[in-house]
Amino acid sequence: LAKTTQPISMDSYEGQEVNITCSHNNIATNDYITWYQQFPSQGPRFIIQGYKTKVTNEVASLFIPADRKSSTLSLPRVSLSDTAVYYCLLRNSGNTPLVFGKGTRLSVIA
Amino acid sequence: DTEVTQTPKHLVMGMTNKKSLKCEQHMGHRAMYWYKQKAKKPPELMFVYSYEKLSINESVPSRFSPECPNSSLLNLHLHALQPEDSALYLCASSQERRNTDTQYFGPGTRLTVL
Repeated sequence: LAKTTQPISMDSYEGQEVNITCSHNNIATNDYITWYQQFPSQGPRFIIQGYKTKVTNEVASLFIPADRKSSTLSLPRVSLSDTAVYYCLLRNSGNTPLVFGKGTRLSVIA
Repeated sequence: DTEVTQTPKHLVMGMTNKKSLKCEQHMGHRAMYWYKQKAKKPPELMFVYSYEKLSINESVPSRFSPECPNSSLLNLHLHALQPEDSALYLCASSQERRNTDTQYFGPGTRLTVL
């Protein structure tokens, strides 16, 4: 299974933009890059998914360079409620299961 | 309705007890999942059901027994558990079992084995 590498933790002040980078050097041609958010004692929640270039929704943006060996989740103007663990996952169109890496623990400070 | 519900929220059981965890979704999803999550660790996949049939068992010990009575319900039967089985058990569902489909997770059941 392809693996991802993320920073273990990040700190940010409220109102700042936060960028979390994920490395996936062995990404396969049919892999999609997916991000989930998890608050303490809750299930993970889907944030965004992309294959190449840039994807934006009401929550975040996902930037994927041409070689697709990394990706960056961008959270605009974070608030205290964005404090959570963020997981980067690779998913393909086959039947392999969802595999969570260690995730990045984001702490937003007032 | 994009909600997956799980009951109970908390469960404390002894090593000789038999208990069950329940999961329900009414989104018409055809795939349902059980994950186990230890403190400060990522979720680990246990089982996958696709169209009410078990399709993936990630080498889970037999003291965990999944059941899918119908397309909306998923149970996890527990018997003779060990203290190291204490964890947050998460249920999820998705439209299909393709990995590009969004998985919706429930809030989990916090299990403590004494």
